[in-house]
Amino acid sequence: AQSVTQLDSHVSVSEGTPVLLRCNYSSSYSPSLFWYVQHPNKGLQLLLKYTSAATLVKGINGFEAEFKKSETSFHLTKPSAHMSDAAEYFCVVSQPGRRALTFGSGTRLQVQP
Amino acid sequence: DAGVIQSPRHEVTEMGQEVTLRCKPISGHDYLFWYRQTMMRGLELLIYFNNNVPIDDSGMPEDRFSAKMPNASFSTLKIQPSEPRDSAVYFCASSLGRRHGELFFGEGSRLTVL
Repeated sequence: AQSVTQLDSHVSVSEGTPVLLRCNYSSSYSPSLFWYVQHPNKGLQLLLKYTSAATLVKGINGFEAEFKKSETSFHLTKPSAHMSDAAEYFCVVSQPGRRALTFGSGTRLQVQP
Repeated sequence: DAGVIQSPRHEVTEMGQEVTLRCKPISGHDYLFWYRQTMMRGLELLIYFNNNVPIDDSGMPEDRFSAKMPNASFSTLKIQPSEPRDSAVYFCASSLGRRHGELFFGEGSRLTVL
């Protein structure tokens, strides 16, 4: 069985300050992990992907995530938030050989001016 | 590329009516997924196809839901008869088989059943 837990349903930061969105996973196998972003009234877009290569993964728009097996975590970070980062972010896990992705419940990021 | 195209973007219908949602995947993609998003249940996978063949429909809620993919460039999700609890945003996504997990989503079809 596999699952992801997004530890915060809402995160609010000020523009220009760091962003941290937390995700813990559970998987019986070496998982593939992803972060997707959904802007209001839009579809989801892939931010970044981890597939057992480098543990620090860089994505689009300055986001990155670090895979920590000992902590079963895959937190998403960005050094400096921009107003355009306000959106919902989903942590996603999949298992080898399975096409179905398991989505977390989402974290809504609010960026204050 | 135009991306994944879904229609209609918004649909308001009355309970008991038939609803058909349409999807055009990205050309060349061999996987197509239908997801449903609600506040209560989040994102749920309904069904997915590989090379136009349904592979896993275990997420389809009940017999009122059906999905088809008659060719590589078109898929439909049909609800008959519709019920108020079917109100949700329905997303279609496509991907290349070798790019596991890298889904390209359409903008969704927001369904309201009165």
